[in-house]
Amino acid sequence: AQKITQTQPGMFVQEKEAVTLDCTYDTSDQSYGLFWYKQPSSGEMIFLIYQGSYDEQNATEGRYSLNFQKARKSANLVISASQLGDSAMYFCAMREGQGGTASKLTFGTGTRLQVTL
Amino acid sequence: NAGVTQTPKFRVLKTGQSMTLLCAQDMNHEYMYWYRQDPGMGLRLIHYSVGEGTTAKGEVPDGYNVSRLKKQNFLLGLESAAPSQTSVYFCASSYPGFGVSNQPQHFGDGTRLSIL
Repeated sequence: AQKITQTQPGMFVQEKEAVTLDCTYDTSDQSYGLFWYKQPSSGEMIFLIYQGSYDEQNATEGRYSLNFQKARKSANLVISASQLGDSAMYFCAMREGQGGTASKLTFGTGTRLQVTL
Repeated sequence: NAGVTQTPKFRVLKTGQSMTLLCAQDMNHEYMYWYRQDPGMGLRLIHYSVGEGTTAKGEVPDGYNVSRLKKQNFLLGLESAAPSQTSVYFCASSYPGFGVSNQPQHFGDGTRLSIL
């Protein structure tokens, strides 16, 4: 089974509108972390936001927020007031484990977001 | 403010040739990783290292070798390149972080490798 599922290969949003990018995950661990990365057309991977499994509040970083629903195992990224520069590929990733070598990230297949005028 | 630097940025190889990709980080991170990115498949972990002199296999290690002789450097080698290894390769580094740790991985800009 996929550990990270991003069901939206592509999304369109108008400038200044909000958009939600979906991410569901599968783990039996109690301790895990969820990350979102942005990959613009230039190719680099940019860390956006993090949510820990024990965090009671949804994470926020500027225009980015994470809608964390633990029971549903979902960690959706919300981008408010979209800008043209938000056009990029977005990846959801998960880190599991209690220790040792468990710093590995498992990535989803990504969602390509296109912001239009 | 270099962060994670990958060399080269682009390379074209012929089947059977060998090459080494270099990753260097200046953030004093313990952990380093090599990923490959293929269309429609996201990033997949090839090998990783939790410290100088130690390496471990990731999800797709076949056909690759790695070495971490210095803390700041992580080398990825292709001994006999195959067309299936055509991909974009990313190096990343991080502080130790387990499960709920909020330490992100910091990525280099990638190496685009084509094997003919």
